Amino acid sequence: EVRLVESGGGLIQPGGSLRLSCAASGFNVSSNYMNWVRQAPGKGLDWVSVIFSGGTTLYADSVKGRFTISRDNSKNTLYLQMNSLRAEDTAVYYCAREKAIISGVVPFWGQGTLVTVSS
Amino acid sequence: IQLTQSPSSLSASVGDRVTITCRASQGISSYLAWYQQKPGKAPKLLIYAASTLQSGVSSRFSGSGSGTDFTLTISSLQPEDFATYYCQQLNNFPRTFGGGTKVGIQ
Repeated sequence: EVRLVESGGGLIQPGGSLRLSCAASGFNVSSNYMNWVRQAPGKGLDWVSVIFSGGTTLYADSVKGRFTISRDNSKNTLYLQMNSLRAEDTAVYYCAREKAIISGVVPFWGQGTLVTVSS
Repeated sequence: IQLTQSPSSLSASVGDRVTITCRASQGISSYLAWYQQKPGKAPKLLIYAASTLQSGVSSRFSGSGSGTDFTLTISSLQPEDFATYYCQQLNNFPRTFGGGTKVGIQ
């Protein structure tokens, strides 16, 4: 069974750092596109970052230079290191797998972890 | 790629047929997914590849379209369908989402 479980969220002061984890089971994170997506309270969905199977990474402009996506293949876990956090980074953060199939892409999301940036 | 969803909200009754549209600013072939989200919950995948029903999802949900124009249809609205619906394009990075359609009770 495919499963994604995020952890690491919490309350953090502006300027602080936090590392989110996404433990995967039922598939290998190294063989899929793995994303982070966030949703600010009462707002829509915003893509944050992706790590491709080959290891290349991309970031939304809003987090570039502050966030780093990575994975540990031995632990089958995806990470998001978040530095220089701002109030506008407050959101539920979801990890999402993308599985390529002949007819397209099948996404699969975890349940999310809440990050609150506040003094 | 910008995704424009319409309407942003609607009110409907149980049993109604509901249609939500998603327009992409450039062609995305069939690389589109639809999600349902209820308050406090993660988005739930309904449709992928524009028209493929996710396993376990009710057949009253259907998706259509390709290129730039897409539609999510609920054939007969049920009480559990009152929620917010989002489209997402999976053709290019950055991945983008529609602004959402909140389906409320009339």
